Amino acid sequence: GIQVEQSPPDLILQEGANSTLRCNFSDSVNNLQWFHQNPWGQLINLFYIPSGTKQNGRLSATTVATERYSLLYISSSQTTDSGVYFCVTDSWGKLQFGAGTQVVVTP
Amino acid sequence: GAVVSQHPSWVICKSGTSVKIECRSLDFQATTMFWYRQFPKQSLMLMATSNEGSKATYEQGVEKDKFLINHASLTLSTLTVTSAHPEDSSFYICSAPGTGRSEQYFGPGTRLTVT
Repeated sequence: GIQVEQSPPDLILQEGANSTLRCNFSDSVNNLQWFHQNPWGQLINLFYIPSGTKQNGRLSATTVATERYSLLYISSSQTTDSGVYFCVTDSWGKLQFGAGTQVVVTP
Repeated sequence: GAVVSQHPSWVICKSGTSVKIECRSLDFQATTMFWYRQFPKQSLMLMATSNEGSKATYEQGVEKDKFLINHASLTLSTLTVTSAHPEDSSFYICSAPGTGRSEQYFGPGTRLTVT
């Protein structure tokens, strides 16, 4: 199956800092999504981004499908950005989760 | 947007009993739903694919007789943990693809504790 690798595994940020999270995948995929899992366990859709670039407020994402990677940018981080960020690929209906990046934003 | 609910949000049960968890798509129909479990500080692990009108498809290593899945309608899938044991304690999450797209929407999860 497809391997999904996320980096870094952990990230500690001071409030206001910017950061980039990376997701590499081992084969072509039909779709790719980024999620934020909050401390209560809820997975929140951030981006549905099989290719190209999207922006939503302080967050943006870029997927370069031909090179099999996606990036999630967090700008001007806030404490509410803390949690785990997952990259999830979908290849013909088969979902594969990355291990996640644990983000802690300190005041 | 597409909303997926789960019930209950948390449950405590005794060893040997069965627990049923419901997953509902509230504003869209889902012929397919997915069930995952998540251990603390780990990623989600796909357990099975629930198919409306047919049998569920289980991932390798997941016991079919222990984790019974029923996709009763286009908006409801249930996961029953039978003869629960403490090692079944986990966070169970369901998801469904939104109408017309394969974008996944996740339920809020059910925390199961078996004593």
